[in-house]
Amino acid sequence: KAGVTQTPRYLIKTRGQQVTLSCSPISGHRSVSWYQQTPGQGLQFLFEYFSETQRNKGNFPGRFSGRQFSNSRSEMNVSTLELGDSALYLCASSSSWTDTQYFGPGTRLTVL
Amino acid sequence: AQSVTQLGSHVSVSEGALVLLRCNYSSSVPPYLFWYVQYPNQGLQLLLKYTSAATLVKGINGFEAEFKKSETSFHLTKPSAHMSDAAEYFCAVISSGGSYIPTFGRGTSLIVHP
Repeated sequence: KAGVTQTPRYLIKTRGQQVTLSCSPISGHRSVSWYQQTPGQGLQFLFEYFSETQRNKGNFPGRFSGRQFSNSRSEMNVSTLELGDSALYLCASSSSWTDTQYFGPGTRLTVL
Repeated sequence: AQSVTQLGSHVSVSEGALVLLRCNYSSSVPPYLFWYVQYPNQGLQLLLKYTSAATLVKGINGFEAEFKKSETSFHLTKPSAHMSDAAEYFCAVISSGGSYIPTFGRGTSLIVHP
């Protein structure tokens, strides 16, 4: 099976712009989760989608949003980018929430 | 509320020596516990997980961890370190009675000397 893929791998944006990141889960996986990883805050949970519905949400402002499509692919959007949004954004998929999560390689976002 | 504490942001061992990475958690309900490894420029890979079955959990690459409820600990061990074990290791907890939002520790960087 192909693993979790994330596009793009690297992204450079300027403050105030918006960005959309994409995640394709492992075939058959219906749960997709997003995480933000920074040196200062570590790994933090953003949100989780299952069958196109957001089931869980972390403590992030409304500028961070996501969605999941019928084929389980997911997108994450960040509007009005701030310097502090620079991070590695990781996507993980699983067949259900408590099953093993498989992580993608991440998208490295740099905000200038 | 749940939390995870990983003692030591860096652990240095010699090749062939015992690896011990510490993880303590707090959870008001029975937890699910995980150890992940992250190599440079890669995502996280699951090493092992505890889901209320056997308290000694064996994972990949020779790692294992023991769930000790009385100590609220889930330390990761490997009898003999290999150079390829050098990476960042993360402990995570999910409280079974809550919203299933995971909390990760800050990570421990394992350095292996030849």
